[in-house]
Amino acid sequence: NAGVTQTPKFQVLKTGQSMTLQCAQDMNHEYMSWYRQDPGMGLRLIHYSVGAGITDQGEVPNGYNVSRSTTEDFPLRLLSAAPSQTSVYFCASSYSGTGTRNSPLHFGNGTRLTVT
Amino acid sequence: GQQLNQSPQSMFIQEGEDVSMNCTSSSIFNTWLWYKQEPGEGPVLLIALYKAGELTSNGRLTAQFGITRKDSFLNISASIPSDVGIYFCAGAGTYKYIFGTGTRLKVLA
Repeated sequence: NAGVTQTPKFQVLKTGQSMTLQCAQDMNHEYMSWYRQDPGMGLRLIHYSVGAGITDQGEVPNGYNVSRSTTEDFPLRLLSAAPSQTSVYFCASSYSGTGTRNSPLHFGNGTRLTVT
Repeated sequence: GQQLNQSPQSMFIQEGEDVSMNCTSSSIFNTWLWYKQEPGEGPVLLIALYKAGELTSNGRLTAQFGITRKDSFLNISASIPSDVGIYFCAGAGTYKYIFGTGTRLKVLA
């Protein structure tokens, strides 16, 4: 059971470049989400999805797009990278996203992104 | 954005000592979760709490869901070197998991 898989592990971009961070889960989870982690800031929610075809914004969505065409995949797109987007990005999933029993959040191992 | 108040920010302790950390919020949560993160990895779930007043243990770890539903604490007994890492609390509502800023734990052998 692979759990939540993120690719790539590391990425360096120049300002203005675009890229997609991949996230896949094999646990049949309806809820998927993206967080960024910055020193001293903890984990901040970027976007989330409660099922295929449904996405919504978190607390720091600007500069990022998402889509959810399948239950398994939830890619995060940076259309025009900026140095302020240098961070570690985590994808996480749970069965329902409601915080109820048997629905805790499971994380991938992250993508470390540097924008120069 | 909303974040939980987690304290302390960091701790340096001797091996064998007990550790206590806590999280408080101005909002009520249905669920409290505690995670541990090691370098280069994603957070891993340690304990999940689903009911106000609930006290749950996982080996040397014990966590409690506050009666007011606005706080939680995590205790680690008899710390060992592999307890080193960053511990995060998280409060869960509907479709939103809000995280604390983390407690960085270092254990001196």
